[in-house]
Amino acid sequence: AQTVTQSQPEMSVQEAETVTLSCTYDTSESDYYLFWYKQPPSRQMILVIRQEAYKQQNATENRFSVNFQKAAKSFSLKISDSQLGDAAMYFCAYRSVRDYGQNFVFGPGTRLSVLP
Amino acid sequence: EAQVTQNPRYLITVTGKKLTVTCSQNMNHEYMSWYRQDPGLGLRQIYYSMNVEVTDKGDVPEGYKVSRKEKRNFPLILESPSPNQTSLYFCASSLRAGSNTIYFGEGSWLTVV
Repeated sequence: AQTVTQSQPEMSVQEAETVTLSCTYDTSESDYYLFWYKQPPSRQMILVIRQEAYKQQNATENRFSVNFQKAAKSFSLKISDSQLGDAAMYFCAYRSVRDYGQNFVFGPGTRLSVLP
Repeated sequence: EAQVTQNPRYLITVTGKKLTVTCSQNMNHEYMSWYRQDPGLGLRQIYYSMNVEVTDKGDVPEGYKVSRKEKRNFPLILESPSPNQTSLYFCASSLRAGSNTIYFGEGSWLTVV
């Protein structure tokens, strides 16, 4: 079974600085998706960025980018120019591309604080 | 607007009193799923459904039931709630099980006293 690990329960960053959140995963599959979700105090699950495993190029969405290392099974999220609104819980998630039902696995989350 | 709607959003109930959390999606999705979120554990899958009348257990199914009689609805049933089922619950849907886009409901806070 796949597992997702986020080794940093909490992190903090100064406003306008850059922070990197870590995620590692374990799988025997070669094709899959990886996600970062943001959960603000409202508790909504907001998709931040998505990476397809078959793509070597790292995904980027504005101030958010990932460092996808397939061989190392690592998928870190970099937030540049941090803003107060980035403060939230961040979840890393794995999803198989196969037609399995039980195929979406989340990490335990990293709580990010942004200091003014 | 594409959405997944859960009700109720907040509920305090007593041990043993049966309750149902409804979930409805308007995107004609085949796949639907329920998760619970607990501190330090992330989101864990309770049950999922690949299509109408097809449901199966996730990682933490004990104490829960589901049904999928219509494509749009996937209710979560707690027959006899206990305090360890106090949690934040999310319903989610996607076009199919292997899709790269999944839509989440807004979450339902459930407290069992």
